[in-house]
Amino acid sequence: AQSVTQLDSQVPVFEEAPVELRCNYSSSVSVYLFWYVQYPNQGLQLLLKYLSGSTLVKGINGFEAEFNKSQTSFHLRKPSVHISDTAEYFCAVSVTENNDMRFGAGTRLTVKP
Amino acid sequence: KAGVTQTPRYLIKTRGQQVTLSCSPISGHRSVSWYQQTPGQGLQFLFEYFSETQRNKGNFPGRFSGRQFSNSRSEMNVSTLELGDSALYLCASSWGPYNEQFFGPGTRLTVL
Repeated sequence: AQSVTQLDSQVPVFEEAPVELRCNYSSSVSVYLFWYVQYPNQGLQLLLKYLSGSTLVKGINGFEAEFNKSQTSFHLRKPSVHISDTAEYFCAVSVTENNDMRFGAGTRLTVKP
Repeated sequence: KAGVTQTPRYLIKTRGQQVTLSCSPISGHRSVSWYQQTPGQGLQFLFEYFSETQRNKGNFPGRFSGRQFSNSRSEMNVSTLELGDSALYLCASSWGPYNEQFFGPGTRLTVL
């Protein structure tokens, strides 16, 4: 079965600094990869997804991620963060044909002024 | 377009009781998935329903069950509640395979 590892449980960063949230996956078949964000007391919102094609994926709120098949990674990046980006970020993987989505443990991004 | 709605938003039960949570997907979405979120275990997949059929199931005991109606609304039932069932239960809907899942705000279940 597929699985996801988010390498950092917490990432503190200053406002306007760049950030990278790391995600590695394992699967024996082709995968679909997702990043979701969760603000306090809310459900999850999709930031971006990789299904096929270009390995560099751009999402909402200025985030992007790069699919690296050889390193089985899907790291999330933003060149300049804002206070409003403070939230929990989840990487998720799904295999073909179903919505059996497996989530990582989450990374708490805290943006400080 | 209305988003995914979940009722109730908050629920308090005692051990041994049973509970039913409801999820109304976005209009036109036929797939509904359920997840349990806890601080210790994170987000865990419970099951997915598509066109009234359970298509996938996570690694949860049989006390956790669900169903989907012809209008795609889904219910999740937990019987014989345990303290460890306290969690945020999230429902997500999508049009079908490979499509983005849209999440509801969740139902916060507290078991005393």
